[in-house]
Amino acid sequence: SQELEQSPQSLIVQEGKNLTINCTSSKTLYGLYWYKQKYGEGLIFLMMLQKGGEEKSHEKITAKLDEKKQQSSLHITASQPSHAGIYLCGADISAPKSTFGDGTTLTVKP
Amino acid sequence: ETGVTQSPTHLIKTRGQQVTLRCSSQSGHNTVSWYQQALGQGPQFIFQYYREEENGRGNFPPRFSGLQFPNYSSELNVNALELDDSALYLCASSRTDSETAYEQYFGPGTRLTVT
Repeated sequence: SQELEQSPQSLIVQEGKNLTINCTSSKTLYGLYWYKQKYGEGLIFLMMLQKGGEEKSHEKITAKLDEKKQQSSLHITASQPSHAGIYLCGADISAPKSTFGDGTTLTVKP
Repeated sequence: ETGVTQSPTHLIKTRGQQVTLRCSSQSGHNTVSWYQQALGQGPQFIFQYYREEENGRGNFPPRFSGLQFPNYSSELNVNALELDDSALYLCASSRTDSETAYEQYFGPGTRLTVT
């Protein structure tokens, strides 16, 4: 089974709408990363969360790590076409191996 | 500051052949990790190199091997290619022994197609 499960698999939103992507781990997380990937390209680091309850923001993207440290959510406010891409969560569940979810593909309709 | 670069960008090989993919790490980084990303899936960890030695390996057979050079660049070699090896191969560099050791910088990837 997948160690990191992302939901939804894909998302289509109208420009200006808010959206949330979830990442659930089967194990306690000691560090959870969010990356963005454009199709067929490398991953771009967005942010890392380490402590339960931690929340970080980067421009209009906010990510939280829940208190029990087994789930994270990524929230985009007032989505724009530039937000389109694949969002991946990753974690060092068995360091140095980084484990990734299968990604959430976001399409933003103008 | 030079980013992570990979070569070649695309590659087409025949089943049974061997391939070498190259990665230049970001300036100041001493660790390189390699990942295989199949279509529609997240990256799968192949292995990591630190100080020219393998520092962890994922669930990949021995025909996947690697090297890291004194300048921290790295190669991924795959022998006896199989159709399932078709994927995007990503390398990521980081700086072990630093406060930001967790922050990996990814290259653009090499798209390998095995026919």
